Amino acid sequence: DAGITQSPRHKVTETGTPVTLRCHQTENHRYMYWYRQDPGHGLRLIHYSYGVKDTDKGEVSDGYSVSRSKTEDFLLTLESATSSQTSVYFCAISDGLARMNTEAFFGQGTRLTVV
Amino acid sequence: SQQGEEDPQALSIQEGENATMNCSYKTSINNLQWYRQNSGRGLVHLILIRSNEREKHSGRLRVTLDTSKKSSSLLITASRAADTASYFCATEPSGGSYIPTFGRGTSLIVHP
Repeated sequence: DAGITQSPRHKVTETGTPVTLRCHQTENHRYMYWYRQDPGHGLRLIHYSYGVKDTDKGEVSDGYSVSRSKTEDFLLTLESATSSQTSVYFCAISDGLARMNTEAFFGQGTRLTVV
Repeated sequence: SQQGEEDPQALSIQEGENATMNCSYKTSINNLQWYRQNSGRGLVHLILIRSNEREKHSGRLRVTLDTSKKSSSLLITASRAADTASYFCATEPSGGSYIPTFGRGTSLIVHP
């Protein structure tokens, strides 16, 4: 597996509380992504980063924020968790340098339950 | 909305048979990639085909790309029970940053 670690792997939290998920990579890849995976929807992009302090929104960014203060870490924060944010969250990385030949490497996922 | 859409959503076959799944996409691309996801795990990259390629092979995998129809197919030959997984296509849109966009996936079950 590529050097990408998500933490925590499982979390149960209460509605209205803030939650932060961490993605850590040891590959020095430029691009980092957060996706959520839900039945019937596949993987949907939440936010992505193309460098330190460079982030942008994805398809389903409402209710989420991100930060990337170091190349290796990409944090996803649910500002006030809601039941609709119960999902499996995946972090992915890619180097984005070898144009026409990029692939994404995925973490093992974080299963988040909001009760 | 999602760029790539896999078809069928679910596929059930016997071991030894071939499995074919398709992906359609909407905009022009630099490349298209196929990934596999075993239950409860992250996605794993299988194969990449560039926009100027029409066919590519990797072991028991064969991928085709038809840019005029904006579609791709993944063929797994002589399937095995271990091929049971969900398969996703992802496209790299041309002319912009590399943001892989995934479809909903095809769930493949291979019966021993």
